[in-house]
Amino acid sequence: QITLEESGPSLVKPTQTLTLTCAFSGFSLTTTGVGVAWIRQPPGKALEWLALFSSDGSRHFNPSLETRITVSEGSSSNQVVFSLTHMDSEDSATYYCAHRIPFLFVLDVWGRGATVTVSS
Amino acid sequence: EVVLTQSPGTLSLSPGDRVTLSCRASQRIISNYLAWFQQKPGQSPTLLIYGASTRAIDISHRFIGSGSGTDFTLTISRLEPEDFAVYYCQQYGTFPITFGQGTRLDIK
Repeated sequence: QITLEESGPSLVKPTQTLTLTCAFSGFSLTTTGVGVAWIRQPPGKALEWLALFSSDGSRHFNPSLETRITVSEGSSSNQVVFSLTHMDSEDSATYYCAHRIPFLFVLDVWGRGATVTVSS
Repeated sequence: EVVLTQSPGTLSLSPGDRVTLSCRASQRIISNYLAWFQQKPGQSPTLLIYGASTRAIDISHRFIGSGSGTDFTLTISRLEPEDFAVYYCQQYGTFPITFGQGTRLDIK
């Protein structure tokens, strides 16, 4: 069974960097074709795809945020770390990580999400 | 980027009704790589359909995806009380991956 769980600060100040960790189980990033995506959802608004980290080391980013995003494998082999620099109020949202079905960009299992508020 | 426009924005229906939700793309979606998600309040999205018409694991046969090219639909054959939620389409044929703005199903 695949599970994912996001963790990180619930409150960040404007201009700070947000760093979130996605801890997962039930799959391995050593498996070919696997990936972990990041998606966010501002309160009451639609979903927005942010980034995809794949087992072959490739990374894809939303062009609108590409210069601010970093995604990497965590300190543990079952973690992916997401960072977003220069946070402002428009970045307040629930941030999700999700499992990518191998060789497709289908996001079949999602974490519960981490709610982040940007405020001084 | 591929812009997905969902219609209608909101629907008020009754349990037992049949409903069809629309998702129109600004350009052809490669290989019909179109997915549908259901999201209930306070929950993360649940994958319903991918590849335009393939049901995800454990998804009821009441959910039927169809379409190709730029026009896609999600039909729910008989609404159950647990189906009242927000539905999003998503394309994954072209980067950046994009989502529609959602269709909200309310109980009448």
